Amino acid sequence: QQQVKQSPQSLIVQKGGISIINCAYENTAFDYFPWYQQFPGKGPALLIAIRPDVSEKKEGRFTISFNKSAKQFSLHIMDSQPGDSATYFCAASPNSGYSTLTFGKGTMLLVSP
Amino acid sequence: EADIYQTPRYLVIGTGKKITLECSQTMGHDKMYWYQQDPGMELHLIHYSYGVNSTEKGDLSSESTVSRIRTEHFPLTLESARPSHTSQYLCASSGDPGQGKETQYFGPGTRLLVL
Repeated sequence: QQQVKQSPQSLIVQKGGISIINCAYENTAFDYFPWYQQFPGKGPALLIAIRPDVSEKKEGRFTISFNKSAKQFSLHIMDSQPGDSATYFCAASPNSGYSTLTFGKGTMLLVSP
Repeated sequence: EADIYQTPRYLVIGTGKKITLECSQTMGHDKMYWYQQDPGMELHLIHYSYGVNSTEKGDLSSESTVSRIRTEHFPLTLESARPSHTSQYLCASSGDPGQGKETQYFGPGTRLLVL
């Protein structure tokens, strides 16, 4: 049973456009929601993360929007650049020392020049 | 930058061989993880550890085994490699979530090809 559903599977955006990736979760115990970015041949790296006490978090061109009632969160990449082309994974975990991250299946983003 | 290392980076080996993938971190993290990932595909947790002498199986059943004798070291072993084991193996570590250190730091991965 997949507990974090991510969409779309792939996304093509023109340079300067907005990239939007969505995730939905089922487990109401989740309270930590990170996004990871992975370039080919590399391990994933934390991009930005949010907790449910805020509805939005912005770091540079990257913004997480969080809707607790809908159990959804999304990543927005403003002014998308070719260097943003990568695979993006959303994830979620409960606030417990014995918990692990549940990852979405990933979105392959291609930003065309 | 994360201080987590994996060796080898690439491994081509014949069926039936025993292999050990190495993972080390210098961040003093208690929690460590192994993921299996086909290129560009989803991450599957196969093993994790809460600390020394702790090992747990992940969501994806795996024929591999792990050990955690030292905090910084979390090797993964396949006793008899098969072509179905061909994949990328990613190691990660994280600190205490109670201290806001739940970020998982990933190593660069080991790409395994079993012929």
